[in-house]
Amino acid sequence: KAGVTQTPRYLIKTRGQQVTLSCSPISGHRSVSWYQQTPGQGLQFLFEYFSETQRNKGNFPGRFSGRQFSNSRSEMNVSTLELGDSALYLCASSLVAGGQGNTGELFFGEGSRLTVL
Amino acid sequence: TQLLEQSPQFLSIQEGENLTVYCNSSSVFSSLQWYRQEPGEGPVLLVTVVTGGEVKKLKRLTFQFGDARKDSSLHITAAQPGDTGLYLCAGDSEYGNKLVFGAGTILRVKS
Repeated sequence: KAGVTQTPRYLIKTRGQQVTLSCSPISGHRSVSWYQQTPGQGLQFLFEYFSETQRNKGNFPGRFSGRQFSNSRSEMNVSTLELGDSALYLCASSLVAGGQGNTGELFFGEGSRLTVL
Repeated sequence: TQLLEQSPQFLSIQEGENLTVYCNSSSVFSSLQWYRQEPGEGPVLLVTVVTGGEVKKLKRLTFQFGDARKDSSLHITAAQPGDTGLYLCAGDSEYGNKLVFGAGTILRVKS
């Protein structure tokens, strides 16, 4: 079956611009999570969506936002880009929404590598 | 705030050697997951450990979850060049599919 698809794979933006990244989860998966990966901070949780509702949010400024559509596809948006936003943005899908202490198996996409100049 | 400390950060070994990667925290996790990530790809789940003291084996890889569920280790026996990659441990948080990741261990196995 098709895996998690993220687009675009690579993009270059300048400071102050905004960017939208897309994620199509594995068919049938309703949970989509987003992570930011940088050499200095590693993988950090951005947010999670399940059935079009944001269930959880990490410690990122309000410039980072996301949404999920009825077909479970998700987008994340970063406005007023800063140099420090340069990173690999990873999307992960899961069949179920994890309960407390019960993280579902996450399937990651290949990521969207954002460079901010 | 839950934190996971991974060590070592880098490991360069010869083919056939054994190695252990550690993942430690002061927090208790309900479960810990280990992922492997190759350049240009997303992390791929290797194993999930749930019970304190649990040991799981995946071919040459052995995973252990500490009795107190605060730490975990990954042991690779007779490493192969194909084991090269970034190994990440991740603990579940209080709610949802939100994982707390360690900084990762870059493993390079030379032939």
